Amino acid sequence: AQSVTQPDIHITVSEGASLELRCNYSYGATPYLFWYVQSPGQGLQLLLKYFSGDTLVQGIKGFEAEFKRSQSSFNLRKPSVHWSDAAEYFCAVGGYSTLTFGKGTMLLVSP
Amino acid sequence: EAQVTQNPRYLITVTGKKLTVTCSQNMNHEYMSWYRQDPGLGLRQIYYSMNVEVTDKGDVPEGYKVSRKEKRNFPLILESPSPNQTSLYFCASSLSKIKADTGELFFGEGSRLTVL
Repeated sequence: AQSVTQPDIHITVSEGASLELRCNYSYGATPYLFWYVQSPGQGLQLLLKYFSGDTLVQGIKGFEAEFKRSQSSFNLRKPSVHWSDAAEYFCAVGGYSTLTFGKGTMLLVSP
Repeated sequence: EAQVTQNPRYLITVTGKKLTVTCSQNMNHEYMSWYRQDPGLGLRQIYYSMNVEVTDKGDVPEGYKVSRKEKRNFPLILESPSPNQTSLYFCASSLSKIKADTGELFFGEGSRLTVL
């Protein structure tokens, strides 16, 4: 069965500092991988996705993620965090008909 | 505007009183799904539908029913709600199956359900 692990429940980053959110997945074939963001009181919005090709994918809002098959990882990065990036971030792995989410990482941004 | 619309957004009900949470999408998407979100557990899939009249169980289907009579609508039915179904529910849709380059999900804003 597919699964996703996000090791960090909370992360606090200073505004302007770089960010990396970790994601490890388990999937028996080539994975489809996603990062979603959830702002308070909102639904989830897609940041970026990987399904093939270049292992470094660019997303919206200045985010990027790198797929590393050897490490079963799909970490999310941003070079300079803005206060508006404070939200909960979910990594997900896609099977044929289902999307399995990690438990999320809450990002707090300090001034 | 392309969107997934859920109603109601907030509901407080009592144990055993049947309720329906509606979900409608205006993007002509084939795939629709229901998730519940609970603190510390992330999102878990309840049911999904690959097309009209095709539905299947997700990871946590117990206590829920769905139907897909029309492409745009995918209601979630709680026949006899119980307190452990208190949760935040999300409906989502996708142009195609998840394992495809068009498999991204579009989410509604959520329905917060409390069962007393």
